[in-house]
Amino acid sequence: GAVVSQHPSWVICKSGTSVKIECRSLDFQATTMFWYRQFPKQSLMLMATSNEGSKATYEQGVEKDKFLINHASLTLSTLTVTSAHPEDSSFYICSARGILLAGINEQFFGPGTRLTVL
Amino acid sequence: QKEVEQNSGPLSVPEGAIASLNCTYSDRVSQSFFWYRQYSGKSPELIMSIYSNGDKEDGRFTAQLNKASQYVSLLIRDSQPSDSATYLCALNNFNKFYFGSGTKLNVKP
Repeated sequence: GAVVSQHPSWVICKSGTSVKIECRSLDFQATTMFWYRQFPKQSLMLMATSNEGSKATYEQGVEKDKFLINHASLTLSTLTVTSAHPEDSSFYICSARGILLAGINEQFFGPGTRLTVL
Repeated sequence: QKEVEQNSGPLSVPEGAIASLNCTYSDRVSQSFFWYRQYSGKSPELIMSIYSNGDKEDGRFTAQLNKASQYVSLLIRDSQPSDSATYLCALNNFNKFYFGSGTKLNVKP
């Protein structure tokens, strides 16, 4: 399968600071990247969908000014959590989708970033 | 009503048995279906994808799709303790993915 990396794998920051998470597709071009958040023992929650070169589409209830997403190239998307607070502490996972077979596409996940805001 | 429904479990099976995981979905136009495995503290890992009615086998895993009844299932033969994880069902509908909440599987040695 295709490989997606995330950096950093974990981060601890102080309340009020901003944190940037990178998501890269290593061996394929990602037409679409997705950002998810997962709290302990809960299911994945889609935060936003981003297509290369266009603005991200945010899910209902997700603040676009707080969670800034940039998808500057077909292999890189970034999520910046601005003015982070303890309630933003979570497991953030990106996924990427590219056209692997004509008309068929699958979504591959990065290893996730665990954010702890003190 | 959620797009994708799964029983949260836990589903407990003895080592060597067949584990059967089920998923139902609400939108008849969905075309692509996926099973992911997620170990605790890790991100999901794609196990199987299925696009047409019937069975698709890959090693110990078999995915079954029935579009008329709107369900997709995953069978794990010869279950191993290392298969213990949460299994997520997902579908792709008009460029959007929907995930079930996952079924926790425990394989007991």
